[in-house]
Amino acid sequence: ETGVTQTPRHLVMGMTNKKSLKCEQHLGHNAMYWYKQSAKKPLELMFVYSLEERVENNSVPSRFSPECPNSSHLFLHLHTLQPEDSALYLCASSQGIAGASSYNEQFFGPGTRLTVL
Amino acid sequence: GDSVTQMEGPVTLSEEAFLTINCTYTATGYPSLFWYVQYPGEGLQLLLKATKADDKGSNKGFEATYRKETTSFHLEKGSVQVSDSAVYFCALSDRGSGAGSYQLTFGKGTKLSVIP
Repeated sequence: ETGVTQTPRHLVMGMTNKKSLKCEQHLGHNAMYWYKQSAKKPLELMFVYSLEERVENNSVPSRFSPECPNSSHLFLHLHTLQPEDSALYLCASSQGIAGASSYNEQFFGPGTRLTVL
Repeated sequence: GDSVTQMEGPVTLSEEAFLTINCTYTATGYPSLFWYVQYPGEGLQLLLKATKADDKGSNKGFEATYRKETTSFHLEKGSVQVSDSAVYFCALSDRGSGAGSYQLTFGKGTKLSVIP
């Protein structure tokens, strides 16, 4: 596998379910990101992990919980979601350190299409 | 805060037509500017970038020039192909300090459809 992979590619869940999204990067990067892509809205940065430091968007509800066990893996744990959480969830990685150069190219995975019923 | 505004689509062009997708930005620092492309069913891919004023980014026939005086980074291509059909995102990465400096701010995206 090369690049950034995400599993599953599609997920349908009820509002009472608990599920997890997985992201893995094979690029040797040290920063990983979760984005939410909804129709008609800009990409929303949800979470960032860089060198074990987590930067969190304050507007992300607590029903989304990230986990980054190491620099290659990133999870997004989901519980008691709402229908408006249905979206494409994109993972990305980059070689970037807080406070360093601004032009850190981010490499994106194909996304997980989440539908909440 | 930082923001990116790009023309709303969808944009429909005939093959070999000239393409312009407008993008303007506001930023407090000295941003780097990017165009990303998302093909159907895929994630975003970096198309081109420019890191300072008057830089021109180019790739696959697409070009964009970093215009600080007009805070713009318009995407152009002289002759589009059907395979260029995708969603295009303008983005900036501001050169700040602290934990937020590596974050990208995206525009809403512009869907391009090229018909034969």
